[in-house]
Amino acid sequence: SQTIHQWPATLVQPVGSPLSLECTVEGTSNPNLYWYRQAAGRGLQLLFYSVGIGQISSEVPQNLSASRPQDRQFILSSKKLLLSDSGFYLCAWSVQGGFFIETQYFGPGTRLLVL
Amino acid sequence: QKEVEQNSGPLSVPEGAIASLNCTYSDRVSQSFFWYRQYSGKSPELIMSIYSNGDKEDGRFTAQLNKASQYVSLLIRDSQPSDSATYLCAVISLTGGGNKLTFGTGTQLKVEL
Repeated sequence: SQTIHQWPATLVQPVGSPLSLECTVEGTSNPNLYWYRQAAGRGLQLLFYSVGIGQISSEVPQNLSASRPQDRQFILSSKKLLLSDSGFYLCAWSVQGGFFIETQYFGPGTRLLVL
Repeated sequence: QKEVEQNSGPLSVPEGAIASLNCTYSDRVSQSFFWYRQYSGKSPELIMSIYSNGDKEDGRFTAQLNKASQYVSLLIRDSQPSDSATYLCAVISLTGGGNKLTFGTGTQLKVEL
């Protein structure tokens, strides 16, 4: 069965510090991978998605970036965090394939607080 | 107009009752629809997916899709206190490239004893 991991689970960082969040998927090959952010009391916002190694699509211009160095590894980074970067960061995966079967499965999330 | 709209609630129902959660979407070419449940402080977990007009049942859950009216709903029969959570509606549209899921902001459900 497939498993998705995220770490760290929680993170408290000062404004202006760098960020690196990691997501890995087990039990599947060549998945689509996604980064979402959920701010307090708000909906899920798609940040980045990737259909393969080195292929990243950005949905929202901001001070975040994403990379996919390996097939089942997805990394979210920032050089300098802003207060507005606080939130619940979720990684998700889906099977590569036809448009009608794009169910996304979420990891446990990383709760980030920027002070 | 938001792409996916849900009433934020909270929707309160007594234990054992039917909870009805609704969602409307704006993109007429949307093809795939999903309901996720999110407990406070946790990540969303998939409850059901639906692709065709009509009803789809899975245990106590029934998803209903009406593409002509652009709405999708989730019925929870025999509601239990453990069903208390936020329910997220999500839609995939072909115009979005097929890879992107658009979420509503969720409806908070409270099942009261």
